[in-house]
Amino acid sequence: KAGVTQTPRYLIKTRGQQVTLSCSPISGHRSVSWYQQTPGQGLQFLFEYFSETQRNKGNFPGRFSGRQFSNSRSEMNVSTLELGDSALYLCASSLNRDVNGYTFGSGTRLTVV
Amino acid sequence: DQQVKQNSPSLSVQEGRISILNCDYTNSMFDYFLWYKKYPAEGPTFLISISSIKDKNEDGRFTVFLNKSAKHLSLHIVPSQPGDSAVYFCAASVNTGNQFYFGTGTSLTVIP
Repeated sequence: KAGVTQTPRYLIKTRGQQVTLSCSPISGHRSVSWYQQTPGQGLQFLFEYFSETQRNKGNFPGRFSGRQFSNSRSEMNVSTLELGDSALYLCASSLNRDVNGYTFGSGTRLTVV
Repeated sequence: DQQVKQNSPSLSVQEGRISILNCDYTNSMFDYFLWYKKYPAEGPTFLISISSIKDKNEDGRFTVFLNKSAKHLSLHIVPSQPGDSAVYFCAASVNTGNQFYFGTGTSLTVIP
């Protein structure tokens, strides 16, 4: 079966711009979570969506937002980009809200210049 | 505030020997722990998990040990193989709520 698909794989943006990242979960999975990976911080939880509703949110500023569509696909948006937003953004899907069966995508590498 | 810590950024082990990766946590409410393995340019993949009602879980060459009183878990890989070279992340959650707290990762290199 197809895995978790994240697009685009790589992205370069300028400070102050905004960016939208996309995540298509495994077919049938209804929960999508987003993480930011940076070298010094590991994976930091951004938010989780289930049935089009945000269920959990990490400690990130309001510039980071997301949404989930009726087909479970999810988008993450970052507005007013800062250099420190450069990171690998990973999404993970699971069948329901159980942490078992978490499957990650390969991520989107965002570079802010 | 890093609730899950992996204090060794890197580890090198000879092929065939044991690799021991360590993880400490601060939140006593965590009751489910996982290890993920990550190769460059790929997402993390699930390796092994353990719930707080157990102190050991084994899957082939991989064993995870949990010491709740010390708030410490470890991953043992025996024997280590060159293909095990990757970054290993430990993660913890409360109940089965879908939010993981990840450590910063340990880069394992298995030397042939």
